[in-house]
Amino acid sequence: GIQVEQSPPDLILQEGANSTLRCNFSDSVNNLQWFHQNPWGQLINLFYIPSGTKQNGRLSATTVATERYSLLYISSSQTTDSGVYFCAVGIGANSKLTFGKGITLSVRP
Amino acid sequence: EADIYQTPRYLVIGTGKKITLECSQTMGHDKMYWYQQDPGMELHLIHYSYGVNSTEKGDLSSESTVSRIRTEHFPLTLESARPSHTSQYLCASRNREGLPGNTIYFGEGSWLTVV
Repeated sequence: GIQVEQSPPDLILQEGANSTLRCNFSDSVNNLQWFHQNPWGQLINLFYIPSGTKQNGRLSATTVATERYSLLYISSSQTTDSGVYFCAVGIGANSKLTFGKGITLSVRP
Repeated sequence: EADIYQTPRYLVIGTGKKITLECSQTMGHDKMYWYQQDPGMELHLIHYSYGVNSTEKGDLSSESTVSRIRTEHFPLTLESARPSHTSQYLCASRNREGLPGNTIYFGEGSWLTVV
């Protein structure tokens, strides 16, 4: 099956810093999503981005499908950005999502 | 705002008990999923459904079973719980390809502890 690798596995930031989270995948996909899992375990969808670039406030994401990677940018980080960020990809018309192992982000005040 | 609900949120039960985790969505989505996630680990797909009376096993083998009698409802059942079933169970849904709402939405999760 498709492989999804996220890096770095852990990231510690000072509040206000910027960061880039990476997701590499092993095959062509037609579905890619970024999620934030809060400390209570809930997964919040950040972006549906199988290709191109999107921005939502301090967050933006870029997927280069031909090179099989996606990047999530967090600018001016806040303590509420802490949690685990997952990338998930899918192939085919009825694509099931395969998740990466996640990136644990800690933003310190 | 996603309209997908899971109950119970937290459950502690004894070994050998039968339990059902409920999941309902009010978005009319065809596709529904159950993922299992141990603390600090990635999500693993254990069951999915593409519509009423359609259920399939996911990538991770699970002793649980599911049913899809109504579009909005996708319960997961463990006939005889064991400590190895202790985990978080996340329900999700999304619409068909090409229709609005292709993003996947998750419920708040059900934390199951079997003692």
